[in-house]
Amino acid sequence: DTAVSQTPKYLVTQMGNDKSIKCEQNLGHDTMYWYKQDSKKFLKIMFSYNNKELIINETVPNRFSPKSPDKAHLNLHINSLELGDSAVYFCASSQGAGLAGPEQFFGPGTRLTVL
Amino acid sequence: RKEVEQDPGPFNVPEGATVAFNCTYSNSASQSFFWYRQDCRKEPKLLMSVYSSGNEDGRFTAQLNRASQYISLLIRDSKLSDSATYLCVVTLTGGGNKLTFGTGTQLKVEL
Repeated sequence: DTAVSQTPKYLVTQMGNDKSIKCEQNLGHDTMYWYKQDSKKFLKIMFSYNNKELIINETVPNRFSPKSPDKAHLNLHINSLELGDSAVYFCASSQGAGLAGPEQFFGPGTRLTVL
Repeated sequence: RKEVEQDPGPFNVPEGATVAFNCTYSNSASQSFFWYRQDCRKEPKLLMSVYSSGNEDGRFTAQLNRASQYISLLIRDSKLSDSATYLCVVTLTGGGNKLTFGTGTQLKVEL
């Protein structure tokens, strides 16, 4: 019984291509996130959605476009992939987005390699 | 200056040792504090929240010093299974639950 799942787990693609990563959570949470972990293992938030509404949008190139069709899903589409996009992308979810910082549950990650 | 700073390690310790990790954060408006654990090629998982009064969970003790903007994690009687990267994490007031991660401290527990 997977809590937060991501597909695909591995993605290898050529520079310039467009690709999507999907995330689904079955925890009944109302908030979902995308994080990027670079080659130096630094984990940084990209986006957050609460009840399908964008609430956090860090300084991310507009080639990255998140989409939340419903509370249980948050997808990430990347246009015109660049070498620097190679990283592990983690999806996470939590119940609520308040100041107390509820626990976030992370998916297994999608390892993207751009050649 | 990074928002959350940690010594990257690695810390190589023998089984049974006590090891301490430190973390400093730059924004005095930081609201909530956590330690996450990340195993190699796995996702981060919450280890424990950190409170001003300090808190303990079995062999793990976390402390927060708001005046010094400093967070610590102490692991007693370390086990081989404690080998992982420990991530110091803070959230800002009004930050919409945006977790800001330190770069992590790698721990290797050896026989």
